Amino acid sequence: DVKVTQSSRYLVKRTGEKVFLECVQDMDHENMFWYRQDPGLGLRLIYFSYDVKMKEKGDIPEGYSVSREKKERFSLILESASTNQTSMYLCASLGLSTGLSGVGGYTFGSGTRLTVV
Amino acid sequence: DQQVKQNSPSLSVQEGRISILNCDYTNSMFDYFLWYKKYPAEGPTFLISISSIKDKNEDGRFTVFLNKSAKHLSLHIVPSQPGDSAVYFCAAISYGGSQGNLIFGKGTKLSVKP
Repeated sequence: DVKVTQSSRYLVKRTGEKVFLECVQDMDHENMFWYRQDPGLGLRLIYFSYDVKMKEKGDIPEGYSVSREKKERFSLILESASTNQTSMYLCASLGLSTGLSGVGGYTFGSGTRLTVV
Repeated sequence: DQQVKQNSPSLSVQEGRISILNCDYTNSMFDYFLWYKKYPAEGPTFLISISSIKDKNEDGRFTVFLNKSAKHLSLHIVPSQPGDSAVYFCAAISYGGSQGNLIFGKGTKLSVKP
């Protein structure tokens, strides 16, 4: 089974801190994604990456950046954390050779609940 | 503009009865539709999917129906069980110009009461 691991389940950070959220997948997937989930707003795409060194903005990239130095690792960076970035952050991966047909599309990590105080 | 809409934020159903979760979409170019299930403090997990060229897909207690003319799909759970209580996300994707970005609805919270 594909495994997507997010390094922290819960984080509490102070306003203005630089925050790193790490995500690692073990199935050599090309595509990786960062979402945030908020009540009433569903899943919103922050950034995604199709390959090493590649990154593209999603729907809500402001206040975030990403890094993909290795294929298996996709990091989300909050340059200066703010209280409105308190949320559940979800990482996902997708293998191109698998695609979406007949399988479950994205594989998600367990999420990181970030609280910015 | 929301391309995938789940207009019911919540749904409550008695155990053993049918749960019907609805999803509407606006982009007629979507090729595939998926349903994900999410428990609190966990990531979403895949439930069932359907290609745009089909109108029904069934997997055990879960059936997804697609009505392309109405741009509507629904997830039926029969019979509903308390363990089905979760948030359900509808998602869709268009392959044209895309490399795999799912567009999600806002979710429907299902509560199945014993």
